[in-house]
Amino acid sequence: DQQVKQNSPSLSVQEGRISILNCDYTNSMFDYFLWYKKYPAEGPTFLISISSIKDKNEDGRFTVFLNKSAKHLSLHIVPSQPGDSAVYFCAASDIGQGAQKLVFGQGTRLTINP
Amino acid sequence: EAGVAQSPRYKIIEKRQSVAFWCNPISGHATLYWYQQILGQGPKLLIQFQNNGVVDDSQLPKDRFSAERLKGVDSTLKIQPAKLEDSAVYLCASGLAGRHQETQYFGPGTRLLVL
Repeated sequence: DQQVKQNSPSLSVQEGRISILNCDYTNSMFDYFLWYKKYPAEGPTFLISISSIKDKNEDGRFTVFLNKSAKHLSLHIVPSQPGDSAVYFCAASDIGQGAQKLVFGQGTRLTINP
Repeated sequence: EAGVAQSPRYKIIEKRQSVAFWCNPISGHATLYWYQQILGQGPKLLIQFQNNGVVDDSQLPKDRFSAERLKGVDSTLKIQPAKLEDSAVYLCASGLAGRHQETQYFGPGTRLLVL
C-alpha cells in the first residue's frame, strides 16, 4: 500500500526554466508534508515543508503547493540551476502518530540541462 | 555543527552472515531513526528511538533485525542472518525532539550488498 506516490521517476528540464515535481497521497490523515533532496552517495537533505493549514510555502527559488481536496502537492523550482540535479523525495506525516513518522514517495530524478 | 555520522559506508556480505551498522546522531538530538532504502524506492522507517527508548518498531523485521541505542546517543542496527532482499542503503536520521512538525537530518547511509 503506497500511501505517498511520485508517479514520475525522472524529469529533465532546461537550465533557467521551471521544474515542477509532483506528489500524490492517499491518507487523508496526513497533515504535514516535506520535500527532501538527495545527491548520489549522500543522505537526503531537507528542502522545504508545508503544513495542511496552508496551501503554499515559499523559500527562495523553491515553492511547495498543497491541494488538500486533490491530495496532491507539488514542488516548483524557479529558475532551475544545474546544482538542482538530484533525486527529490516527498514525505508525509500525520499528527495522529504522536511522534513524527515520515512516509516517503519513491522519488523523482531531476536533471537540469545546460 | 557536525552532521549525522554513519559507518561503515559500504559492506558486502554473503547471505546468512551477520552485519552491524553504527550511527552517531547530531549532538543534542533526542530522536534517532533507522530507515531502509531499497533501490528505486523511498526510505522506509524501520525503528524510531526517543533517547534510549523505542517509540516505533512496527516495521522492523524482528526475526532478523535488532537495534539498540545505549545511553541515548549512538545506535547500532544489526541483521542476523542476512537475506538477499536486505540489500539496500540503511539511513540513520536524527531530530531534536521527535515532535510532529520537525526536520529530520540524515546521515550518508551504509550501502549493504548481500550476495
